[in-house]
Amino acid sequence: GEDVEQSLFLSVREGDSSVINCTYTDSSSTYLYWYKQEPGAGLQLLTYIFSNMDMKQDQRLTVLLNKKDKHLSLRIADTQTGDSAIYFCAESRGSARQLTFGSGTQLTVLP
Amino acid sequence: EADIYQTPRYLVIGTGKKITLECSQTMGHDKMYWYQQDPGMELHLIHYSYGVNSTEKGDLSSESTVSRIRTEHFPLTLESARPSHTSQYLCASSEYVGGNTEAFFGQGTRLTVV
Repeated sequence: GEDVEQSLFLSVREGDSSVINCTYTDSSSTYLYWYKQEPGAGLQLLTYIFSNMDMKQDQRLTVLLNKKDKHLSLRIADTQTGDSAIYFCAESRGSARQLTFGSGTQLTVLP
Repeated sequence: EADIYQTPRYLVIGTGKKITLECSQTMGHDKMYWYQQDPGMELHLIHYSYGVNSTEKGDLSSESTVSRIRTEHFPLTLESARPSHTSQYLCASSEYVGGNTEAFFGQGTRLTVV
C-alpha cells in the first residue's frame, strides 16, 4: 500500500529548533495533521494545515506544506525537554476520511 | 480535553482466552476507529465505523472483531488471544467538518498475551 513516510529518530539540544519531515501520498488530502504521543499515552493533536496553505504558525510550532512535492514539515522553535515524544504526521483518506499515519519520529531533546 | 476512554489500560492474559477491549466516547461522534500500534511505533488501522450498526475492516488485517450497537461504544473482541496479538491498541473518534477530520484518541490498551 501507499505509505506516509517519516524519519525515525531526531535528537536536538535544548533551546535549538527541531524540524520533523514527512512525505505523504494522497494529493486529494484536504487536511494534514501532526500528532504527538508521549510515553504510555494516546495521540494528541498538535496542529493541522489546510491543503491550500503553505504555512501555518501556532506559537512555537510552524507547519510548512509543499503540495507539489507532497512534503510536510513541523518546526518546533526553542525545543524543550518536555517536547521529547514521538511525532506522527497523518493524512485523511478513504471513504471514512480515516487518518493514515506515518511511522512516527522519536524526538529526543538533550539538555 | 478529549472525552474518550479505553479500559483496561494494561492487560496480561493467557493464550486462548477471549478478551474484549472497551472504548467509549461522550462527544457524540459518529466515526470511531481502532488502531494497532507496533512496538516500533507504527500505527495501523484495523477497524472503523461510520456510525451505529456500521463496522468496516481497516488497512491491516486483524483477527479481532468489533461491534457498534451504540454511538458511544465501540468494543474490540479477540475470541482466542495469541502471543502475536501482543500490541498497543488505540481507539479514536472523530467528526468530519468541512473536510477536516479531527480525531481524538484514548489512552490506549497495552495487551500482552503470554
